[in-house]
Amino acid sequence: DSGVTQTPKHLITATGQRVTLRCSPRSGDLSVYWYQQSLDQGLQFLIQYYNGEERAKGNILERFSAQQFPDLHSELNLSSLELGDSALYFCASSVRRIDNEQFFGPGTRLTVL
Amino acid sequence: ILNVEQSPQSLHVQEGDSTNFTCSFPSSNFYALHWYRWETAKSPEALFVMTLNGDEKKKGRISATLNTKEGYSYLYIKGSQPEDSATYLCASVEDTGRRALTFGSGTRLQVQP
Repeated sequence: DSGVTQTPKHLITATGQRVTLRCSPRSGDLSVYWYQQSLDQGLQFLIQYYNGEERAKGNILERFSAQQFPDLHSELNLSSLELGDSALYFCASSVRRIDNEQFFGPGTRLTVL
Repeated sequence: ILNVEQSPQSLHVQEGDSTNFTCSFPSSNFYALHWYRWETAKSPEALFVMTLNGDEKKKGRISATLNTKEGYSYLYIKGSQPEDSATYLCASVEDTGRRALTFGSGTRLQVQP
């Protein structure tokens, strides 16, 4: 158990819908990272937040957004969902910086029908 | 665009064999390199984060080296065990102001008892 929690574990929804994935980092970790892993692609970095502020951005679509709240939990919002958004979404946390060791949550499996 | 390549794609070894994999990344704007171990149906687990040229890290039977000038890192496993079977991922971080991770596609290791 890494200490990072993600909810829900599984999510099934329809195209065009909007969903929110939630992540609680390890106690004391200030940075949260979001990743997407789909069948035809490897692990893709989406975005990083540090202490409430966006710090780094990867291959995140404009339909996706994220935020980190004062209690340091983070939410990833996915809107206008398409079939291709079906994937495993991981959250990870680290103490501070992107060169710190990251601890991954169990992931949320999103299925868009 | 940062291109991170790993070789080989997959590897089958016998228990007790020692093995190594390669991660190649563009050497310009290097900031950090991560190695992860990812077992099927689990979350990625951090092995090492390396930042300095010539750095060597070790954790049990697993070690890694880093050459930032030529843009490669090696991961070594000494005396492979069946429990080492997993996909080994590397991820490079560029120092371009906004730092983001780019993952390689991984090396899938299968250790036969």
